[in-house]
Amino acid sequence: ETGVTQTPRHLVMGMTNKKSLKCEQHLGHNAMYWYKQSAKKPLELMFVYNFKEQTENNSVPSRFSPECPNSSHLFLHLHTLQPEDSALYLCASSQELARGLAGFRTGELFFGEGSRLTVL
Amino acid sequence: AQTVTQSQPEMSVQEAETVTLSCTYDTSESDYYLFWYKQPPSRQMILVIRQEAYKQQNATENRFSVNFQKAAKSFSLKISDSQLGDAAMYFCAYRSFNTNAGKSTFGDGTTLTVKP
Repeated sequence: ETGVTQTPRHLVMGMTNKKSLKCEQHLGHNAMYWYKQSAKKPLELMFVYNFKEQTENNSVPSRFSPECPNSSHLFLHLHTLQPEDSALYLCASSQELARGLAGFRTGELFFGEGSRLTVL
Repeated sequence: AQTVTQSQPEMSVQEAETVTLSCTYDTSESDYYLFWYKQPPSRQMILVIRQEAYKQQNATENRFSVNFQKAAKSFSLKISDSQLGDAAMYFCAYRSFNTNAGKSTFGDGTTLTVKP
């Protein structure tokens, strides 16, 4: 497989369920991201992991819990969600520089196809 | 904080014609990247074109080109010889040059319809 793959592509869950979204990148990148895309709203950055370390938590409610076991995998654990959490969740990756190093990077994000989440 | 504004929620173009999508941004930084991403219906978002702010020359990628006006903080995308496969939502994005794994700020998107 190539690129960034997300599973499942579609998920329907009740408000009391616990589920997880998975993202895997095959690009050798060292940074991974979760974005939320809702209708009529801009992309919202949720979490950033750089070299497996969480570097950004954009005021995301605790019912969303990220996990990054290695540079290739990223999870988003979901529990006691609300109907307003229904959205397309996009995973992305990028190639970043190690802290303290200078050099060139493209700054480009590589996205997965997304996981469409519906909370009933 | 940086902001990105796409003032055209929807645009349409006739096949084989040219269309320009607008984007303005606000920043106090001098070094940054600007991007146009394309998100076709039910498909993944992909990069269309990238511009580094320190480069004066406008980026081009085949039928896609940008008009980068740094002083005006404007970054428009021109699609020439539009094709049916160009129909998608297009997002303009900004990223600071100086952050590692930093935030990319996205505009609200422009939905482009291509008419046969």
